[in-house]
Amino acid sequence: EAEVAQSPRYKITEKSQAVAFWCDPISGHATLYWYRQILGQGPELLVQFQDESVVDDSQLPKDRFSAERLKGVDSTLKIQPAELGDSAMYLCASSLRQTTVAFFGQGTRLTVV
Amino acid sequence: GENVEQHPSTLSVQEGDSAVIKCTYSDSASNYFPWYKQELGKGPQLIIDIRSNVGEKKDQRIAVTLNKTAKHFSLHITETQPEDSAVYFCAASITYDKVIFGPGTSLSVIP
Repeated sequence: EAEVAQSPRYKITEKSQAVAFWCDPISGHATLYWYRQILGQGPELLVQFQDESVVDDSQLPKDRFSAERLKGVDSTLKIQPAELGDSAMYLCASSLRQTTVAFFGQGTRLTVV
Repeated sequence: GENVEQHPSTLSVQEGDSAVIKCTYSDSASNYFPWYKQELGKGPQLIIDIRSNVGEKKDQRIAVTLNKTAKHFSLHITETQPEDSAVYFCAASITYDKVIFGPGTSLSVIP
């Protein structure tokens, strides 16, 4: 069964350091999403790509967060510098196109110390 | 923008009993309502969804109901099993790609 792959699964970093997460969507899925899930809450959308283009990054803290999907396939989410409040699960999801159901990866659990 | 509320935040049931989770949404334009199950350490998994032109949908032990007038929708799990223990999220969307999640319900099924 096709899955959304994310790495690493867990990441511990010191505040002010840079950190990056990687996502490989299901093959053929044009739409890719990055969500942040704070413990005890539902996921919140950070950024949405359609192929290599950003469709929505209105909730992305652009002073420290960046995301790219250069070839329209895999994607990287970066935080620089990391802050204590960035500790959360970062989830990647993909869908065949914008109007179809999204499938989630297992996420990257980030702890900033 | 859309706001989704969910109750209860925690729910414990005996194995074999039914569980009901209720959600409300604020944007009357929302027309797609998915439900996700998240097990510990994993990403959310879609378990059932309903569109606004349908009032009820059932899949084996899981059913969802939608009341568009009241802007309420609910998840019903019958004959609960220990493997149903997880966090359940309701969500609402005008289009599939702008999904707003509720805060989640932690369900515990006691053997």
